[in-house]
Amino acid sequence: KNQVEQSPQSLIILEGKNCTLQCNYTVSPFSNLRWYKQDTGRGPVSLTIMTFSENTKSNGRYTATLDADTKQSSLHITASQLSDSASYICVVSVGGGADGLTFGKGTHLIIQP
Amino acid sequence: KAGVTQTPRYLIKTRGQQVTLSCSPISGHRSVSWYQQTPGQGLQFLFEYFSETQRNKGNFPGRFSGRQFSNSRSEMNVSTLELGDSALYLCASSRTGGSGNTEAFFGQGTRLTVV
Repeated sequence: KNQVEQSPQSLIILEGKNCTLQCNYTVSPFSNLRWYKQDTGRGPVSLTIMTFSENTKSNGRYTATLDADTKQSSLHITASQLSDSASYICVVSVGGGADGLTFGKGTHLIIQP
Repeated sequence: KAGVTQTPRYLIKTRGQQVTLSCSPISGHRSVSWYQQTPGQGLQFLFEYFSETQRNKGNFPGRFSGRQFSNSRSEMNVSTLELGDSALYLCASSRTGGSGNTEAFFGQGTRLTVV
């Protein structure tokens, strides 16, 4: 069964600090991996999309890594800001239709001043 | 350009009623996918429409249905509402749909509360 596990479930850090969120998956075959940021009560916004051949991708202070051999991905946030408080969702695709997306349950990140 | 628009943003319905939610995709996008999001289950795929045809369907009962119009706008209908249908319903649009490398853009969602 295709699964995406994210850790930690929730995280609280001080403003200005760095943090790393983890995503492990058992999805096969692999097409791409996406990270989304979802503010409370709003829709998810795409941060990165990585294919099999990519192992690092950055979007401003967000850097995603992918190890397709160990089926792990991480999202690193540098110099956190209060606006980074949100849920971060890891999504893995097998390709094909939209039913080919497997969603993690997300990591809830809180940035404290 | 305008993003994905979902209406209404909030809705309160009584058990047994039915509800229709609307999603207007980004101009030029032909694919619309619908998702149910609850705290316990996360995001779950409902169905995907492309050029007015349902292309994929998730594991939801037949009470959940949808359609897509010629202008790519999509509606989702839930009949005989149950308390467990309370959730944030999200739609996402993309140019070609599917789960390939084409980026999907989500709307703000419709928060449905069934009482």
